[in-house]
Amino acid sequence: AQKVTQAQTEISVVEKEDVTLDCVYETRDTTYYLFWYKQPPSGELVFLIRRNSFDEQNEISGRYSWNFQKSTSSFNFTITASQVVDSAVYFCALREFTGTASKLTFGTGTRLQVML
Amino acid sequence: DADVTQTPRNRITKTGKRIMLECSQTKGHDRMYWYRQDPGLGLRLIYYSFDVKDINKGEISDGYSVSRQAQAKFSLSLESAIPNQTALYFCATSTGPSYEQYFGPGTRLTVT
Repeated sequence: AQKVTQAQTEISVVEKEDVTLDCVYETRDTTYYLFWYKQPPSGELVFLIRRNSFDEQNEISGRYSWNFQKSTSSFNFTITASQVVDSAVYFCALREFTGTASKLTFGTGTRLQVML
Repeated sequence: DADVTQTPRNRITKTGKRIMLECSQTKGHDRMYWYRQDPGLGLRLIYYSFDVKDINKGEISDGYSVSRQAQAKFSLSLESAIPNQTALYFCATSTGPSYEQYFGPGTRLTVT
C-alpha cells in the first residue's frame, strides 16, 4: 500500500532562514506522481507542485525548490529566505497510477512557523 | 470568483441529524472528490466521482453518501451525524487521475 511520511510535525524558524520540509514515500508502482500543497491559517489548500516519477530534475520556483530522489524515495521541499507569509501547514501527497483510481494519499503535514 | 465553492462554510449540528454539504465548481473538470481532514491525520478520501454516472467509495465512506447532480455539482450527505464526524471537509476537482486536484475552501462541521 502507498504511504507518505512527513516526520517533521512542526518546524519553527526565524524570518530569512532557509528551511527544508521532508517527505518520504512508499509505493510499489514505477509510475506515480508526487504533490505538495500549502494550507495557510485561512484553511484553504493551495497546490504548489506536481512531479512524475520519471522526472527527477529538481525544480525551483522563486524561493521554493524541490528535490526529488527516487533512490531514497524522497521529495523534499526547501523554502529559501523564509517569510512570515510562508507560515502554514504543508502536505506532501502521492498518487499511484494503478490500484484505487484517483486515490491521493496525503502525509500528515508539517506545520511551519516563521517568526520575525 | 472562486473556482471551487463549498456551502456551508461552517455548520454545527446535533447527533442523529441529516446534513448535506454542497460543492460546486466552474473549472469544467469531470472528476470530483470529497475528503475529510482531522488533526494529525492529513486528508482522507471519502468518495470520488469521474463523471455524473460514476460514483466510487474512498477509504472512509461508511456513514456518508454522495450525489453527483451535474458535472459541476457534487454533494456529500451524512445520513445520521455522529460526533466523530466532526472534521474539516474539502471538495476537490481535477481534470484527470494524474493531475493536481484543486480544493474548495472547506466546510467546518461540528456534531454535538
